[in-house]
Amino acid sequence: AQSVTQLGSHVSVSEGALVLLRCNYSSSVPPYLFWYVQYPNQGLQLLLKYTSAATLVKGINGFEAEFKKSETSFHLTKPSAHMSDAAEYFCAVSEGGYNKLIFGAGTRLAVHP
Amino acid sequence: DTEVTQTPKHLVMGMTNKKSLKCEQHMGHRAMYWYKQKAKKPPELMFVYSYEKLSINESVPSRFSPECPNSSLLNLHLHALQPEDSALYLCASSQDSRRQETQYFGPGTRLLVL
Repeated sequence: AQSVTQLGSHVSVSEGALVLLRCNYSSSVPPYLFWYVQYPNQGLQLLLKYTSAATLVKGINGFEAEFKKSETSFHLTKPSAHMSDAAEYFCAVSEGGYNKLIFGAGTRLAVHP
Repeated sequence: DTEVTQTPKHLVMGMTNKKSLKCEQHMGHRAMYWYKQKAKKPPELMFVYSYEKLSINESVPSRFSPECPNSSLLNLHLHALQPEDSALYLCASSQDSRRQETQYFGPGTRLLVL
């Protein structure tokens, strides 16, 4: 079975600082990986996804992630944090024949002035 | 348009009530999903419909009964729920059920069972 581990349940950064949210996966087949963001009292919004086309994936709102097979990682980064980036971030891997998403535990990002 | 709509936004029900959650998408997607999300936890898959057929049931109790009347609509019928069923119920859809397809989520229905 595939799984996802997100290191750090809470990350706090200053506005304008680099954002780094960590995700490691376990998969016996080439993975399809996703990052979603969830703002308070809302559903999930796709930030970006990896489907083996390119190892560096650019997403919305200035986020990007790099797939590193040797490290089984798919970390999410943003060069400069905005206050509006404060939210819960989930890394997920798609498993099985029916696109079952397996989510990591999530990382809550706080951005302070 | 990548919108998935869910109604109602909030629902309070007693343990003896019967209620339904509704999810709709008009993107022509042929796979639809129900997830349950408890507070401060990630979403957990409950059901997958592919081409209007139930494809995955993640051992969900029978007090939750999904229904897919057509390719745009997904319902979740609730009966005799327990307080521990209180959660955010999220619907999602994707082009089809291949692993690389993006799932688009609705805003969810926040359910409270008294």
